[in-house]
Amino acid sequence: ETGVTQSPTHLIKTRGQQVTLRCSSQSGHNTVSWYQQALGQGPQFIFQYYREEENGRGNFPPRFSGLQFPNYSSELNVNALELDDSALYLCASSREGAPDTQYFGPGTRLTVL
Amino acid sequence: AQSVTQLGSHVSVSEGALVLLRCNYSSSVPPYLFWYVQYPNQGLQLLLKYTSAATLVKGINGFEAEFKKSETSFHLTKPSAHMSDAAEYFCAVRGGSSASKIIFGSGTRLSIRP
Repeated sequence: ETGVTQSPTHLIKTRGQQVTLRCSSQSGHNTVSWYQQALGQGPQFIFQYYREEENGRGNFPPRFSGLQFPNYSSELNVNALELDDSALYLCASSREGAPDTQYFGPGTRLTVL
Repeated sequence: AQSVTQLGSHVSVSEGALVLLRCNYSSSVPPYLFWYVQYPNQGLQLLLKYTSAATLVKGINGFEAEFKKSETSFHLTKPSAHMSDAAEYFCAVRGGSSASKIIFGSGTRLSIRP
């Protein structure tokens, strides 16, 4: 059984640019959640996608957006990058009926200069 | 609103000693509580979760946690620490009626002394 994978592993961008992060969910999971983990802090919930629709959103501005595809993989897009967007971005997948049992990927480390 | 507070950003114990990581929660509804572990440069791994069944929850790697409603606590313990337990540990709570949202504490870094 394949776990949650994320790409790229590391990414460096400059302020004002746009970035797309990718996540492949664990086999059999149809729900994907995204989290932002700043250095030295716990992860913060960005949003969740279930069957290609947004199913809950945290306190993040609209420049954070997402997509989920028919194969349940997902993208996180961030526009107009700010220095404070530098963080580890974690993707987690869960199966039907158990949205709070989430399996995390290794994350994408984003650095904004 | 739901939240968790982890007491102690860093805990250091000797190998073989008891591990105790403290977590207190605040919740307006019966809470679903979790403990996750994060090894360096890796994602989070679920250690255990409480979903209003037994108050003593056993998890992986010999960890367990006890839900105490009167103390609003969900502390994580392990009887005998191993060097491989060194990691960051996060307590978390489900975001109220929204099962989609997991709210994490700020984490406790566990160090193991030889």
